[in-house]
Amino acid sequence: EVQLLESGGGLVQPGGSLRLSCAASGFTFNTYAMNWVRQVPGKGLEWVSGISSGGTTYYTDSVKGRFTISRDNSKNTLYLLMNTLGAEDTATYYCARGRTPNVRMDWFDPWGQGILVTVSS
Amino acid sequence: DIVLTQSPATLSLSPGERATLSCRASHSVSNYLAWYQQKPGQAPRLLIYDASNRATGIPARFSGSGSGTDFTLTISSLEPEDFAVYYCQQRSSWPPITFGQGTRLEIK
Repeated sequence: EVQLLESGGGLVQPGGSLRLSCAASGFTFNTYAMNWVRQVPGKGLEWVSGISSGGTTYYTDSVKGRFTISRDNSKNTLYLLMNTLGAEDTATYYCARGRTPNVRMDWFDPWGQGILVTVSS
Repeated sequence: DIVLTQSPATLSLSPGERATLSCRASHSVSNYLAWYQQKPGQAPRLLIYDASNRATGIPARFSGSGSGTDFTLTISSLEPEDFAVYYCQQRSSWPPITFGQGTRLEIK
């Protein structure tokens, strides 16, 4: 069974940093693109960042230069390092796998259960 | 960036009725469009990809159609578990990948 389990969320002060992790199991991790998608409570979905199976990274403009996506294929884990956090980054962060292997950017299937990040003083 | 506009914002229907949800793209996305379902407190779930293909395990009452800029998600006969929020998403022109703002399907 494919599983994605996020961790590392919580309360952080404005200007602070946080690293999210997504532990993957049940599939050949190094062959799939992976993504982070966030959702402000009660609002819609926003794609944040993606990384191809080969390690090429992509970001939405609002996080470029502040967030870094990475993957450790030996640990089957996806990361999102978030720096210079602001109130606008408060959201539930989901990791999501690409639907098929070896596709640079694919549909998101499945998703993890999400982890809440709250930026507040 | 490609903007996806979903309509209506809220759709009120009864179980057994047919639901038709719309997603319009600001520029052509060919058939690079997907639909997701999200229930309260849960992660989104992929329903339809490439505009008209059902994802694994998705019931046949869900169908997608359209190409270019106009797309439709149809639920042929609503079951109680279908009341949720539905999002469309494009991956034709990225980054960024973009989502619509969602349609809330509620019980009438």
